[in-house]
Amino acid sequence: DTAVSQTPKYLVTQMGNDKSIKCEQNLGHDTMYWYKQDSKKFLKIMFSYNNKELIINETVPNRFSPKSPDKAHLNLHINSLELGDSAVYFCASSQDWASGATNEQFFGPGTRLTVL
Amino acid sequence: DQQVKQNSPSLSVQEGRISILNCDYTNSMFDYFLWYKKYPAEGPTFLISISSIKDKNEDGRFTVFLNKSAKHLSLHIVPSQPGDSAVYFCAAKRYSGAGSYQLTFGKGTKLSVIP
Repeated sequence: DTAVSQTPKYLVTQMGNDKSIKCEQNLGHDTMYWYKQDSKKFLKIMFSYNNKELIINETVPNRFSPKSPDKAHLNLHINSLELGDSAVYFCASSQDWASGATNEQFFGPGTRLTVL
Repeated sequence: DQQVKQNSPSLSVQEGRISILNCDYTNSMFDYFLWYKKYPAEGPTFLISISSIKDKNEDGRFTVFLNKSAKHLSLHIVPSQPGDSAVYFCAAKRYSGAGSYQLTFGKGTKLSVIP
């Protein structure tokens, strides 16, 4: 019974293509996130969504766009893929983002994107 | 600009001994610190956390110590077990405006516990 799931687990594609990664959480959490882990192993926040509103948008290219059809889903769309987009992308979720609680985040298994 | 630093990329420890993983930070606005554990091909999983107003938090074999004046925290695992072998990420939380919070992660330390 997976708490945070992502599909696909692996994605290999050509430069210039458009692709999407899906994320779903069944924890009833309020906030969902996308992280990118690059070749240097840094885990960096890309986006977070709370109640369908974007509340963090780090300096990522506008080729990346998060889409949240409902509170349980946050999909990541990437247009015109570039070689530098190759990385592992993690989805995460957390509860009660505004309360000042621990903000423990639950992570999905990751999607390894390879752009050729 | 690395606001959270884990300067040891790897650490090897004998089973039964203590593992000490270190983390330094630069931003005084961080108000909560978390440790995550990650196995290959899996997402990070939460391990233990500590508020910036505390200096120690213990949960079973895991203890996190915070030295706020030195901007340093450490994770102690005792006794270490082979199943503890994983990459450990230090993360720091801060308010980032408009009612939102952000986690900043270190680069991780790969712990190997030798049987």
